[in-house]
Amino acid sequence: AAGVIQSPRHLIKEKRETATLKCYPIPRHDTVYWYQQGPGQDPQFLISFYEKMQSDKGSIPDRFSAQQFSDYHSELNMSSLELGDSALYFCASSFGTWGDTQYFGPGTRLTVL
Amino acid sequence: GQQLNQSPQSMFIQEGEDVSMNCTSSSIFNTWLWYKQDPGEGPVLLIALYKAGELTSNGRLTAQFGITRKDSFLNISASIPSDVGIYFCAGPPVEYGNKLVFGAGTILRVKS
Repeated sequence: AAGVIQSPRHLIKEKRETATLKCYPIPRHDTVYWYQQGPGQDPQFLISFYEKMQSDKGSIPDRFSAQQFSDYHSELNMSSLELGDSALYFCASSFGTWGDTQYFGPGTRLTVL
Repeated sequence: GQQLNQSPQSMFIQEGEDVSMNCTSSSIFNTWLWYKQDPGEGPVLLIALYKAGELTSNGRLTAQFGITRKDSFLNISASIPSDVGIYFCAGPPVEYGNKLVFGAGTILRVKS
């Protein structure tokens, strides 16, 4: 079965640069979620979109923004990168929002030097 | 802050043994999810629970949704080396909409 696709899988950036992470949800899933996972940590919710509208917001820095497009894929834009932004970034998708099971992508490992 | 208390933090067991881990919370959950994560990979869904008292199996895995809706456990029977990894419980507390909160994870190591 098709899974969540994320690209790139690995990304290396310098401080103060920008990065764009992409997420392609499972076909027919209309909701995407972004999570950040630091080393040895559990995933932390950043933001979610349902039917191209922001549905919920977590601990996402103001330097980050995201959107969901008409084909339901989503992009997480990160600007003025800091060393502390180095982490694994996961996208998850579900059909619907309330209590629906979220399926995770393989993640993007971002390293900020 | 951490809303899910997951225990144990780590386990080192013999191949063939049964494993049990659990999560508790002060919040009520409508859904409990159990994921397994290998290093550098995304969490893979193992079992999803949707009703209080529900007991669900997936091969050697069994999980239950606590009656109070504030806890869940996962059992792995007859562990094998490929069970190694980090297991997370997760769910959306009712007051959090659809945002998942995760337990801190249980690191499982299996001696062959």
